[in-house]
Formats: sequence, structure tokens, C-alpha cells
Amino acid sequence: DAGVTQSPTHLIKTRGQHVTLRCSPISGHKSVSWYQQVLGQGPQFIFQYYEKEERGRGNFPDRFSARQFPNYSSELNVNALLLGDSALYLCASSLRGPLEDTQYFGPGTRLTVL
Amino acid sequence: ILNVEQSPQSLHVQEGDSTNFTCSFPSSNFYALHWYRWETAKSPEALFVMTLNGDEKKKGRISATLNTKEGYSYLYIKGSQPEDSATYLCAPHGTDKLIFGTGTRLQVFP
Repeated sequence: DAGVTQSPTHLIKTRGQHVTLRCSPISGHKSVSWYQQVLGQGPQFIFQYYEKEERGRGNFPDRFSARQFPNYSSELNVNALLLGDSALYLCASSLRGPLEDTQYFGPGTRLTVL
Repeated sequence: ILNVEQSPQSLHVQEGDSTNFTCSFPSSNFYALHWYRWETAKSPEALFVMTLNGDEKKKGRISATLNTKEGYSYLYIKGSQPEDSATYLCAPHGTDKLIFGTGTRLQVFP
């Protein structure tokens, strides 16, 4: 079975631009969570979706948004990019959610904002 | 849950040594604790999900314990091997999300 996949693997944008990151969960998993990881810190929670509904949101500005599709894949959108948005963005899937189940992480998308 | 602390920040051991790390978290609003291993250039790999006070879990040479009343978890590695070199992250789950610590970076020298 394929694991969690993310695209693209790397991305370079300039300040003010918009970016869309994509995640495909493990087959059968209905929950997708997004995390931002900057160097020297642990991953920070951005969003969790379960059955296409937002189940949780971290302390990120409204420039960050996400959605989950009927096939349980997910997109993370970031508008008006800032230099500080440069980070590794991780997606994780689980059957129901991290409160109940093991999460499986994808390889991440490395975003660089110039 | 706001503050998750992991210690030590980094650790260098010789192959064959046993080692342990600590994860401390506020005990209020606790629901579950996750441990992950994150090797360089790979995805974080789930080790354990623990929920009950006194829980003990084991996976090969790695084991973990949980004390929810005092707010800590220990991760033990018995007979460390070079392939155990990685950053070990703990993440308690509060009412609505996982909060990750900054991790313990382990290097095992042959």
C-alpha cells in the first residue's frame, strides 16, 4: 500500500504570492492533519480535517486555509506569502484522528519564500 | 496543553549503550501522548500512542512509559544501534490538537 504522498516536494515562491500544497492520505484513512515545521522546532499543528469537516485549527493567521475532498485528499493554501512562511509542511493521515489513532506522515513539502 | 519539554536536547552514545529521554507536559486537559522517531531526510515515524496513566508500550528495543498525573513520559532504548540515530519527538494531545516538543536528537556511534 502506498503511504501518505505530498506534492510538490520543493517549492520556491516570492513574498505576496499564493501557494497550494497537496496531500493524499493512506487508502482508508479519513483524517488528514497539516503541520508546519521550522528548523530547530517540533512540527506545529495547522489544521485537522475528518470526513471533509474541519475538526481543529492551530494558531495560524487567516492566510492559511485548507480543505478535504470527497476522496479524502487535502489541500493547504497559503495566501500573501511572508518570508516567515518558509518551512517544511507535513501532512499526516489517520483512520479517525490523532486523538484516537496513530498518524502516518508524508515526506513533506519544503517551501522557500524569497 | 501549552508547554511540552523534552530533555536532553541532544545525546551522543556508543553502540550498545542504553539510553532514555524525558517528555514533560502539563497534566491538565491530557488525552493521549504520541512518540515519533524522525530520521534525517525521512518522514516522522510513529512509535507509540499512549493514553492511560501507567501505560507501558514496547516495540523491539524501544519502550515507553506514561505518567499522566505528574505529566511525563519516558522513552527507553536498550542496546542502542547506529540505526537508532534520529530525533525523537513526543506530542501530547490536549482538547483539540497535538503539541509537539522540540525533540531529543540521538546519535549512536559505532
